[in-house]
Amino acid sequence: GAVVSQHPSRVICKSGTSVKIECRSLDFQATTMFWYRQFPKKSLMLMATSNEGSKATYEQGVEKDKFLINHASLTLSTLTVTSAHPEDSSFYICSARSDRVGETQYFGPGTRLLVL
Amino acid sequence: GQQVMQIPQYQHVQEGEDFTTYCNSSTTLSNIQWYKQRPGGHPVFLIQLVKSGEVKKQKRLTFQFGEAKKNSSLHITATQTTDVGTYFCAGPRTTDSWGKLQFGAGTQVVVTP
Repeated sequence: GAVVSQHPSRVICKSGTSVKIECRSLDFQATTMFWYRQFPKKSLMLMATSNEGSKATYEQGVEKDKFLINHASLTLSTLTVTSAHPEDSSFYICSARSDRVGETQYFGPGTRLLVL
Repeated sequence: GQQVMQIPQYQHVQEGEDFTTYCNSSTTLSNIQWYKQRPGGHPVFLIQLVKSGEVKKQKRLTFQFGEAKKNSSLHITATQTTDVGTYFCAGPRTTDSWGKLQFGAGTQVVVTP
């Protein structure tokens, strides 16, 4: 149980375009979903927290107009990187948790974004 | 602000040897969680410790939560090549109610055959 999928797994795009990443909880309803960014050999940096039906809350320093998050249902959250630039290239990982399983977060497989 | 620190940052281990990685929080935690991330992969939940002084074992992995609930350790015996990866500890952010976690920087484990 507690499987989280992410799509796409890898994306290459041109500078200035927007990229949407989907995160789905496959076998449970996620009360909350989290979006992280991870640089090579570094820890997970929380970008934002999203709850179904409400606006996402962003961590300090994360531009909400740059990283649009939508949590349309209890099983789906999307992250859109708008007007992507090479410095946005990174590994983006989502995680999901349910009130029913406490504070454990289950991570998706991640999306590697390369902006040319 | 709340900090979770892990040492060592890197751990080179000979196959068959034991090692321990440590996690220290600046605040008292309600629980602590451990995750493993294989090279090129994503973090995978290993275990959660809740009680003061709790010790849990998963085969060759032994997890311990300190009496003051501010530190934790992961001890691996008879290291195997499958243990390669980065081990993260994480604790709930004390000022948050949405289940946000504060991750440590991780211990990257390299196993030499």
